Amino acid sequence: AQKITQTQPGMFVQEKEAVTLDCTYDTSDPSYGLFWYKQPSSGEMIFLIYQGSYDQQNATEGRYSLNFQKARKSANLVISASQLGDSAMYFCAMREGNYNNNDMRFGAGTRLTVKP
Amino acid sequence: DTAVSQTPKYLVTQMGNDKSIKCEQNLGHDTMYWYKQDSKKFLKIMFSYNNKELIINETVPNRFSPKSPDKAHLNLHINSLELGDSAVYFCASSPLGSGRGTGELFFGEGSRLTVL
Repeated sequence: AQKITQTQPGMFVQEKEAVTLDCTYDTSDPSYGLFWYKQPSSGEMIFLIYQGSYDQQNATEGRYSLNFQKARKSANLVISASQLGDSAMYFCAMREGNYNNNDMRFGAGTRLTVKP
Repeated sequence: DTAVSQTPKYLVTQMGNDKSIKCEQNLGHDTMYWYKQDSKKFLKIMFSYNNKELIINETVPNRFSPKSPDKAHLNLHINSLELGDSAVYFCASSPLGSGRGTGELFFGEGSRLTVL
């Protein structure tokens, strides 16, 4: 069974600084995808970034980057130049196996607070 | 146009009642989901369908019955509601198997169910 672990229930960061949100995963399948989602206080779920297990480079999307360390089974989200609007819950998720596998599981989430 | 829409957004009801949540997506995706988010923000997969076929049926009480009349709709009916059913229920869709995108989930806005 796949497992996603987010060990930081809450994180604080000063506006304009960078922050890293941790995510480790456990799978024996060589093929998998890793996802990060943001949930602001308004409640909607927003997809941020994706990393495939066979991708050679770390994924980046604007101020978001994924620090993918395959041997350590970690997929940490790095947010650069934090903004007040980045305050939200952040969830790491994984889909094992091939692209057609429906099963996507989530970690417990990290609540990020950006301080002015 | 809302890509994944759920109705109603809020339900308040008494224990023992039956309620339904409807979900529609206009993205042309074949895959749809129901997730439950509890008070601690944990997201748990409940059901997943591919083109009207039930693929994932997690350990969910059989009081919960999903129904997919076509691939654009996935409804959730809950019988004999209990206090522990209070949560936010998210519908989601994904372009799995289409070769498009990364297979990320597109979420609805959520339906907050409160059982009194």
